[in-house]
Amino acid sequence: DSGVTQTPKHLITATGQRVTLRCSPRSGDLSVYWYQQSLDQGLQFLIQYYNGEERAKGNILERFSAQQFPDLHSELNLSSLELGDSALYFCASSVSAEIYNEQFFGPGTRLTVL
Amino acid sequence: GQNIDQPTEMTATEGAIVQINCTYQTSGFNGLFWYQQHAGEAPTFLSYNVLDGLEEKGRFSSFLSRSKGYSYLLLKELQMKDSASYLCAPVRDGQNFVFGPGTRLSVLP
Repeated sequence: DSGVTQTPKHLITATGQRVTLRCSPRSGDLSVYWYQQSLDQGLQFLIQYYNGEERAKGNILERFSAQQFPDLHSELNLSSLELGDSALYFCASSVSAEIYNEQFFGPGTRLTVL
Repeated sequence: GQNIDQPTEMTATEGAIVQINCTYQTSGFNGLFWYQQHAGEAPTFLSYNVLDGLEEKGRFSSFLSRSKGYSYLLLKELQMKDSASYLCAPVRDGQNFVFGPGTRLSVLP
């Protein structure tokens, strides 16, 4: 158990819909990272937040957005969903902003878009 | 593109040593991650290399050559539980990183 929690565990929705994935970091960690893993694209870094502010951006689509709240939990919002958005979404947390810190991954949310 | 190259699959025997290679483009390079991921599970951090040379951490070691755009992960005394995918991820331009396609390692008895 990494100490990072993600909800929900599974999510099934339809094309065109909007969903919100939630992540609570390990106690004391200030950075949250979001990743997408699909069979055809592999593991992709989406975005990093540190202490409420966006810190780094990877391959995040414009239809996707994230935020980190004052209590440090984070939400990833996916809108206008397409079939290709079906994937496992992981969040990870680390103690500070620097990229070289060990990241601890949550168990993931499996999103299925029908 | 990032042109990160890893072998797709490798097979080794329990107790043996295996080396998993990763090559990448060197422009803007800062450092390189190695992660382990068991099937159906989240990735687990193994190492982050910044300097040239070998860093040892128990049965796992990671090597980096910045000028050659080359890294490898060395796994010694292989155990069945080491069967997993191993992902390298070069970091460039400060905070931007991309994962390689991963190497699926099968450890046989």
